[in-house]
This record gives sequence, C-alpha cells and structure tokens, in this order.
Amino acid sequence: QSVLTQPPSASGTPGQRVTISCSGSSSNIGSNTVNWYQQLPGTAPKLLIYSNNQRPSGVPDRFSGSKSGTSASLAISGLQSEDEADYYCAAWDDSLNGHVVFGGGTKLTVL
Amino acid sequence: QLQLQESGPGLVKPSETLSLTCTVSGGSISSSSYYWGWIRQPPGKGLEWIGSIYYSGSTYYNPSLKSRVTISVDTSKNQFSLKLSSVTAADTAVYYCARVDVDLDTAMVRSFDYWGQGTLVTVSS
Repeated sequence: QSVLTQPPSASGTPGQRVTISCSGSSSNIGSNTVNWYQQLPGTAPKLLIYSNNQRPSGVPDRFSGSKSGTSASLAISGLQSEDEADYYCAAWDDSLNGHVVFGGGTKLTVL
Repeated sequence: QLQLQESGPGLVKPSETLSLTCTVSGGSISSSSYYWGWIRQPPGKGLEWIGSIYYSGSTYYNPSLKSRVTISVDTSKNQFSLKLSSVTAADTAVYYCARVDVDLDTAMVRSFDYWGQGTLVTVSS
C-alpha cells in the first residue's frame, strides 16, 4: 500500500490529453513539492517533472505538472505512442524524521 | 554526462547481506550540491526509497529499512555502496542508484535526477 495514491491505469489515443492524479496528505504533498518520474518498459525511471511543475532540460513541454492542496496531477497533451510507460509521483514526507514516499504508479496505455 | 552504474551479486541467500556498489562517472561524488541514493523496485511493483548519503558520510535512511541498511561512500573511487542485512525473498528487487537533489539545510530530498540502469538482486537459496 503506497503512501501516495495513483490510479493503476490510464489510457488515451494519439493526440489526446490525459491526466494522472496523485493524492497524498498534509505531511507530504500538502507541505512539500511533488516530482513525477517516467519509466519506459525495461528501463530505469527518468525525472519528468520536479518542484510540482518544472521540466528538466530535454523534457517536452507536452508534459506539465500541477499541485493543489494535498493532490497533484501530471498532464500529457498531444499524446504519442512513445509516452506509453509507467508514471510515478513522489514527495518528501515530514513524518518519521522525514523520508521519500512514492505513488504506486500508473500504467499509461496509448490506444 | 553524468553516469551511474550499479554492480554486485545478482543472487543472495536468505538471512545473508546484500552488497551493491554504485560507480559514478562524468562527475565527482564529492560535489557539495548533491547526495547519492538507492531506490529499489520489486518485480512488477512500485518504487521504494532506501536511503541517501552525502560525500561527507552523512546518511538518511527509510525508517522501514533503517535497522538493516548501511550506505557508505568512497570518494577516492567515486563510489558509494549499499549493504542490506538479513535479507528475505521480500528484498528481491531491481536496485537503482541515483543522484539526489536535496535541500542541504534540511536534507529533504527534492528529486532523483540521474539514475543508474539498475541491477536485479534475487534472494533465494
């Protein structure tokens, strides 16, 4: 059972806009920034969004992040086949002297 | 370009100690701006933070694993290492090393911005 809650799956057709939600609590998302990681099949995770809505160099602007209260969202616009991957949210949790918590991951399927 | 590479045994017996090393290239592990960390992923499951270390040796561990984890650093070899004791089948996972962007005043992890390719460790007799 992950501390951050994500839907296990999401899907969309090429060109569509999809969103993936991440729900937490006051000790994690409610008080700290959220990151999103993309894990393509058989590869290591890659940082996709940091500090709620910032993209590292090289990440297309089709990917965007937002946060409100104790929830966060990842939006992917102009969906492409190569976006088919697992997506994980993560945040620092202030409880227990502080630690990183992850969501359980959302498998995105491009139909 | 910063690169990280995990190495170590792919098979560990139950009750023994899992040992992995991460070699950093293309950058110095003694950078004052970053920590270095370990994350694991059981087959078909999600990600779990294990812990992080600064080049000075300061460490932070996941409370759920703290009693069994030791992370150390060797700046002369540009490497850091993970030891996980008393392993069981539940510790079977792909283990990743990563560079950790942190708030240096509070040690709060902000993100894992560079990752190794990962190494599968199976716990089995």
